[in-house]
Amino acid sequence: QSALTQPASVSGSPGQSITISCTGTSSDIGGYNHVAWYQQHPGKVPKVLVYDVSLRPSGVSSRFSGSKSGNTASLTISGLQAEDEADYYCASFTSSHTLAFGGGTRLTVL
Amino acid sequence: EVQLVESGGGLVQPGGSLRLSCAASGFTFGSYWMHWVRQAPGEGPVWVARINTDGSITTYADSVKGRFTISRDNAKNTLYLQVNSLRAEDTAAYHCARDLIWNQPDYWGQGTLVTVSS
Repeated sequence: QSALTQPASVSGSPGQSITISCTGTSSDIGGYNHVAWYQQHPGKVPKVLVYDVSLRPSGVSSRFSGSKSGNTASLTISGLQAEDEADYYCASFTSSHTLAFGGGTRLTVL
Repeated sequence: EVQLVESGGGLVQPGGSLRLSCAASGFTFGSYWMHWVRQAPGEGPVWVARINTDGSITTYADSVKGRFTISRDNAKNTLYLQVNSLRAEDTAAYHCARDLIWNQPDYWGQGTLVTVSS
């Protein structure tokens, strides 16, 4: 059960847009539209931002959007704000009916 | 308000056992699949196990299969994780989480810390 692959870090300036990628295989991301994205601030538990590739739970800002192409899912954050600085994790349903997480991406707002 | 409160963690020697509990409130517990997810200090989350609404279906990560057992008591609104044959690499905060849909947790508890060390 391998972790999904994310870049270790990304950065952007306030107001800009950034995209975080998450690469898996045909046994997880590529095979199912059940990909979620989580935001985690230090000392806090993960908060779900996106589920089923591109759906947002109620209360999540529309600045967060998700997409998928083949075996790669992406999270885009538009209008970057200081409070977006956090760790971001992708997660996908797998063919073994397990859940695979990405290794995480640290977002720095410059 | 959805609340998930874990307990039962602690310091245990390699090879030891613990029973973790997760008390749920604020939602109809028996209507949701549930998960255990662990997170070691400074690392990302790692999925451990899931259980369906009536406890008849369970799935485990390869790393814990045969050592950990997930269960639930819907009458008590409580989720459990029996952890046996503990190893140093099992050291982490263990979080219970409610499934939103198709293995995508939405609400997470604050976690209970399991430390495996001699």
